[in-house]
Amino acid sequence: DVKVTQSSRYLVKRTGEKVFLECVQDMDHENMFWYRQDPGLGLRLIYFSYDVKMKEKGDIPEGYSVSREKKERFSLILESASTNQTSMYLCASSFSGANTGELFFGEGSRLTVL
Amino acid sequence: GQSLEQPSEVTAVEGAIVQINCTYQTSGFYGLSWYQQHDGGAPTFLSYNGLDGLEETGRFSSFLSRSDSYGYLLLQELQMKDSASYFCAATSSNTGKLIFGQGTTLQVKP
Repeated sequence: DVKVTQSSRYLVKRTGEKVFLECVQDMDHENMFWYRQDPGLGLRLIYFSYDVKMKEKGDIPEGYSVSREKKERFSLILESASTNQTSMYLCASSFSGANTGELFFGEGSRLTVL
Repeated sequence: GQSLEQPSEVTAVEGAIVQINCTYQTSGFYGLSWYQQHDGGAPTFLSYNGLDGLEETGRFSSFLSRSDSYGYLLLQELQMKDSASYFCAATSSNTGKLIFGQGTTLQVKP
């Protein structure tokens, strides 16, 4: 079974703190994704990585950065957390290429910024 | 820009058939996927259409028309456990980048 593991299910941080969200997958997938999910807004793509050290901005990259130093690990970084970044963050992975459309998701990390 | 439009809510009764539509506008398009998400859970993959036409997987079918930039998910013989959110997602690059719609909440009533 494909497993995508996110390091924290729940986090509470203060405004201005630096926040790291970690994601690890064990299926040797080339692609990894970070989405945020808010009620009524669906899943919005923050960043996408299609290979080690390769990244592409999604629809809402402002206030976020990412790191992919190893194939299995994709980190989302909030340099200075703000209250409007309170959300559910979902990591996903997939094989490279456009011919399956299948992502495997982690359980999510619910971040609250006070 | 890139966007996918789907209805926000659909209600149906147990045993019925329901269709959830999705229209898309993307700068590149390779295929349309559907995902199911129960409250508190992660999205799970249901189906993918890379070519025009109907794909059937058990009680669920998905359809794509590239010329109309349109697809739908058809759920038959609805069960209470089908109450969930359903998302369409477009593959928008040859690397497999996926953009999601806002989701449709399906409520199945007895």
